[in-house]
Amino acid sequence: GAVVSQHPSRVICKSGTSVKIECRSLDFQATTMFWYRQFPKQSLMLMATSNEGSKATYEQGVEKDKFLINHASLTLSTLTVTSAHPEDSSFYICSAPTGGASYGYTFGSGTRLTVV
Amino acid sequence: KNEVEQSPQNLTAQEGEFITINCSYSVGISALHWLQQHPGGGIVSLFMLSSGKKKHGRLIATINIQEKHSSLHITASHPRDSAVYICAAGGSRLTFGEGTQLTVNP
Repeated sequence: GAVVSQHPSRVICKSGTSVKIECRSLDFQATTMFWYRQFPKQSLMLMATSNEGSKATYEQGVEKDKFLINHASLTLSTLTVTSAHPEDSSFYICSAPTGGASYGYTFGSGTRLTVV
Repeated sequence: KNEVEQSPQNLTAQEGEFITINCSYSVGISALHWLQQHPGGGIVSLFMLSSGKKKHGRLIATINIQEKHSSLHITASHPRDSAVYICAAGGSRLTFGEGTQLTVNP
């Protein structure tokens, strides 16, 4: 079945540094990638939608300059958290539609970011 | 009121019990998804349905489009079923419920 590989699974970084999270579709072409954030005991919150070859669409309240999203190819989308702060610590997960018009989705395994 | 509501929020069962998790939604949908999230955080898509009923192993998902309601059933529950189960509704964009934490004790 369709697989989205997400790396790293866990990262600890210092305040002020940048962290890049990658999501690769392994056996299908992901023209769209959804990026979510999840706080403890809460559900997924959509941050942005990336589309291959065009600018990402950000949800209201999500800082574009802080959460840089690039979708350079049909198999790779990246989220870079720039100048990370402790409040950016969270679980980030990507998802790509795999079912075409049938709207099936596959999810990455998630990245636990801790900013110290 | 959330657009997608799940109940219960927490559920504890004994191994072997039949489990039901409910989901009500108010958004328009093309499909309703049931997802499973394990403690490590990874999410697995269990079902995507737009009508009727689907079965996979011990899991059964049903949906009533008119009532905007879906249920996830687990038969003969097992401790390895312990996870958070999330209902998500929508089409090209999903709206997520807050999840149901299921704990199955041996």
